[in-house]
Amino acid sequence: DIQMTQSPSSLSASIGDTVTITCRASQNINSYLNWYQQKSGKAPNLLIFDASSLQSGVPSRFTGSGSGTEFALTINSLQPEDFATYYCQQGLSGPWTFGQGTKVEVK
Amino acid sequence: QVQLVQSGSELKKPGASVKISCKASGYTLTDYTIDWLRQAPGQGLEWMGWINTNTGKPTYAQGFRGRFVFSVDSSVNTAFLQISSLKAEDTAVYYCARWQWDDLTGYFNYWGQGTLVTVSS
Repeated sequence: DIQMTQSPSSLSASIGDTVTITCRASQNINSYLNWYQQKSGKAPNLLIFDASSLQSGVPSRFTGSGSGTEFALTINSLQPEDFATYYCQQGLSGPWTFGQGTKVEVK
Repeated sequence: QVQLVQSGSELKKPGASVKISCKASGYTLTDYTIDWLRQAPGQGLEWMGWINTNTGKPTYAQGFRGRFVFSVDSSVNTAFLQISSLKAEDTAVYYCARWQWDDLTGYFNYWGQGTLVTVSS
């Protein structure tokens, strides 16, 4: 199975900050990496697919980058509604595996 | 619009069974597979497997073979997850999700709201 490792596990930030979350795959997954946002008590919501493609309806302050084994999700000008947990997920091969999550909290 | 609506929370005793439903609307269930995922309290997301909604053939991830059964009733556009011989460690939120294939990869673009299953004596 492909292991996905996110860092950091949590971070504290202020409104307007730029934050970056990284995700590392245990093997080359090309660009087959998705990012999800999960708010407390809610289902995950797709933000980015194929490493850098923005899902329809997702604000442009979310950007994804990377390929191979190293990926990043950047949130520019953090907004109140962005405080949540973020997960990466590899889409190269089953079983689909997720990172352990990164919780973005208010500083 | 596409929606996946799951059945409500369940409280079960150890050893009992539970059956969770996931009703699709806004599209025909058999046009896409349905995947099931688990999220234990305070933990991350774990993929359980998927069901071919056309043939009804399930595929289970390791760790979810034996007590977990995926099924589908296309006449009511609904997928089901049944868990038997429940254990305390089955306590979790269970999600159904629709996998969207995109060339050689894909992603989960629609999710049910989740069903909390609590196993406690």
